[in-house]
Amino acid sequence: DTAVSQTPKYLVTQMGNDKSIKCEQNLGHDTMYWYKQDSKKFLKIMFSYNNKELIINETVPNRFSPKSPDKAHLNLHINSLELGDSAVYFCASSQDRLARGTGELFFGEGSRLTVL
Amino acid sequence: AQSVTQLDSQVPVFEEAPVELRCNYSSSVSVYLFWYVQYPNQGLQLLLKYLSGSTLVKGINGFEAEFNKSQTSFHLRKPSVHISDTAEYFCAVSVPGNQFYFGTGTSLTVIP
Repeated sequence: DTAVSQTPKYLVTQMGNDKSIKCEQNLGHDTMYWYKQDSKKFLKIMFSYNNKELIINETVPNRFSPKSPDKAHLNLHINSLELGDSAVYFCASSQDRLARGTGELFFGEGSRLTVL
Repeated sequence: AQSVTQLDSQVPVFEEAPVELRCNYSSSVSVYLFWYVQYPNQGLQLLLKYLSGSTLVKGINGFEAEFNKSQTSFHLRKPSVHISDTAEYFCAVSVPGNQFYFGTGTSLTVIP
């Protein structure tokens, strides 16, 4: 059983299109994240949800919209895709009920987005 | 504000040689420290973490790291590397509120 699963694993699309990436975790964690990893492997936090509530929203274009239907799922929708959106997007989850920062992150395998 | 610096972007090392991957951090609050490994085309997985207690922590695959508060460092070491250790290694800190800050990564290449 995969703890954090993302679909699709690969997306190739044209500029201007809209795409979604889905993420599910079966670990019972309360917090889920979206990270973007660029071509230089730099990891940047995009969003974080705790029990379906948005708690971290870094400086990300409005074209990116996360949605958490329940605490086990966190989806990412991207409108009007641009060349610079090409990256690997990682979903992650953690459990730290007191929000002390001690809960490790569990990552999905990533979704590689290529915008042509 | 928090930041993490990984001083070496690439580290080549011969098989069975020791390796040290350096990590320094700065923070205005107490942090917890992590090392993650990313194998090609995979997600990140936890190698080890320091939350409290002994400053020398042991992780998976024979790796260990030492927390040095005075030098604000958390260097990762392995006494003898294998080909299978070739991967990208990320140092990270977390703060209350479950926010993680990652370094820019160190690419470890083990040479046969």
